[in-house]
Amino acid sequence: SQTIHQWPATLVQPVGSPLSLECTVEGTSNPNLYWYRQAAGRGLQLLFYSVGIGQISSEVPQNLSASRPQDRQFILSSKKLLLSDSGFYLCAWSVNALTEAFFGQGTRLTVV
Amino acid sequence: KNEVEQSPQNLTAQEGEFITINCSYSVGISALHWLQQHPGGGIVSLFMLSSGKKKHGRLIATINIQEKHSSLHITASHPRDSAVYICAVRSNSNYQLIWGAGTKLIIKP
Repeated sequence: SQTIHQWPATLVQPVGSPLSLECTVEGTSNPNLYWYRQAAGRGLQLLFYSVGIGQISSEVPQNLSASRPQDRQFILSSKKLLLSDSGFYLCAWSVNALTEAFFGQGTRLTVV
Repeated sequence: KNEVEQSPQNLTAQEGEFITINCSYSVGISALHWLQQHPGGGIVSLFMLSSGKKKHGRLIATINIQEKHSSLHITASHPRDSAVYICAVRSNSNYQLIWGAGTKLIIKP
């Protein structure tokens, strides 16, 4: 069966520090991969999606970047965190753009 | 105006009550999702539907494509149903998910 792993679960980072969140999927090949952010009291916002290795689409211009070095690995990064980067980050995968999405457990990031 | 609107934003009910959460959308869609977000933040997909009605245990989801409206019902609600319930639609133009803001449900024993 397919599983998705996302870590860490919680993270407290100072302003200006770098960020790296990792997401891996098991049990499937060539999935669509997604990074979402949920700011406090708001809905989920799509940040990046990828349909294949090295293929990244950015939905919202900001301080973050994403990479897909391997088929089932999706990384969310920042060189210098801002206070406004605080939030709940979710990784998800789907077979394709039309099918159900499955979510990781999320990372709660607090930038201080 | 948001493309996906949920109501109510917050709902508190007693154990055993019948719960209804509504979702209206204004875009063309290929599918609609109902998801549950637990207090720790993890999200679980409950339903994906494009027409009619689906049932899973005490949960029922319906969709009316003509009216661009969906409802999520919980029968015989229980405190463990307390969570945020999120509606999301998949756009039929770019196939991306558009998310509602969620409905926070609290079931009191």
